[in-house]
Amino acid sequence: AQTVTQSQPEMSVQEAETVTLSCTYDTSENNYYLFWYKQPPSRQMILVIRQEAYKQQNATENRFSVNFQKAAKSFSLKISDSQLGDTAMYFCAFLIIQGAQKLVFGQGTRLTINP
Amino acid sequence: NAGVTQTPKFQVLKTGQSMTLQCAQDMNHEYMSWYRQDPGMGLRLIHYSVGAGITDQGEVPNGYNVSRSTTEDFPLRLLSAAPSQTSVYFCASNGQGKGEQYFGPGTRLTVT
Repeated sequence: AQTVTQSQPEMSVQEAETVTLSCTYDTSENNYYLFWYKQPPSRQMILVIRQEAYKQQNATENRFSVNFQKAAKSFSLKISDSQLGDTAMYFCAFLIIQGAQKLVFGQGTRLTINP
Repeated sequence: NAGVTQTPKFQVLKTGQSMTLQCAQDMNHEYMSWYRQDPGMGLRLIHYSVGAGITDQGEVPNGYNVSRSTTEDFPLRLLSAAPSQTSVYFCASNGQGKGEQYFGPGTRLTVT
């Protein structure tokens, strides 16, 4: 069975600082995607960034980047120059490409950006 | 494109009542899923579908029923509501091989 673990239930940083959210996962599969989703107080699930497991290069999206360590099964999210609007729950998720394509989520990290 | 739509946004039920949460997508996606979100537990998969006429159970299927008669619609039925089903419910869809799932706005359900 696939599992995703986020070991930081809550984090808090000052505006403009850099913050890193941790995520580890467990699978015996070789072809999969990893995602970070953001859930602001509006409750909407918003995709932040995606990483294909076969790609060695770490994905980046503007201020968001990941550190993907396939052998260690680690997938951390770095937010640079954090902004007040980054305050949200962040979920790490995993999806196997073949078959039913079910997402498995971690427990979430509540991130607060302080002014 | 409306994306993934869910109705209602909020619902209060009494124990034992039944209801259907509606989900529709206009992106012609093959895959659709229902999740529930509870504090401290992330999102957990209830049921999913890989195409019209095909459904299967996820991690927490008990007390819920689904059907998929069209590509667009994937309703979730609560057969006899229980307080343990108080949660926020999300519907999601994705195209084959695309990976990224698109989520609806969610339904907050309270069972008293």
